[in-house]
Amino acid sequence: QLQLRESGPGLVKPSETLSLTCTVSGGSISSRSYYWGWIRQPPGKGLEWIGSIYYSGATYYNPSLKSRVTISLDTSKKQFSLNLSSVTAADTAVYYCGRRLSTIVMNAFDIWGQGTMVTVSS
Amino acid sequence: EIVLTQSPGTLSVSPGETATLSCRASQSVSRVYLAWYQQIPGQAPRLLIYGGSSRATGIPDRFSGSGSGTDFTLTISRLEPEDFAMYYCQHFGYSPWTFGQGTKVEI
Repeated sequence: QLQLRESGPGLVKPSETLSLTCTVSGGSISSRSYYWGWIRQPPGKGLEWIGSIYYSGATYYNPSLKSRVTISLDTSKKQFSLNLSSVTAADTAVYYCGRRLSTIVMNAFDIWGQGTMVTVSS
Repeated sequence: EIVLTQSPGTLSVSPGETATLSCRASQSVSRVYLAWYQQIPGQAPRLLIYGGSSRATGIPDRFSGSGSGTDFTLTISRLEPEDFAMYYCQHFGYSPWTFGQGTKVEI
């Protein structure tokens, strides 16, 4: 069955760029039914959708983060990545990658990675 | 942007009882684009309900979703100890695909 795993630094300095990668295993990354996305959760708070990328490369970003976010897709490596620039302490969170299944009857993040904690601190 | 407001913020119930969680949207959302998730502390969210009322694979039938337009409900019947968790709704009507702020179901 398809699994997702996040990887990247757990500590990032303020003003630098946070970079994470999500590796897809056990299934295809190229399907018209899939969007791949990033969601974050600051300590003790709720979930925030960061953005997603379609198999075609089309991207969708949360307007609150759009100026700092880039999501890319590497189908040959079965990976997608998140870059978040100019980070501050407010970007400290658990970052999840996820698959949004999009069909006539189903729209949801049906598969999630385990999450990775990223702390922004000098 | 569609804002999802969940209520109550915290719901105190006992095992065996029924919990009713609300998710209200600031604009009409097709039920096809409304999902519910459960999150246990320290774990990733888990999909419970998609399409407003369809249970995801492996989700017991004590979880049910309903609603349309701007008002959606997640009902948990016969609460089991493992059901005490955070619950979030999310829409996919149009970007940004926002989440509600969550409802905590506690004993």
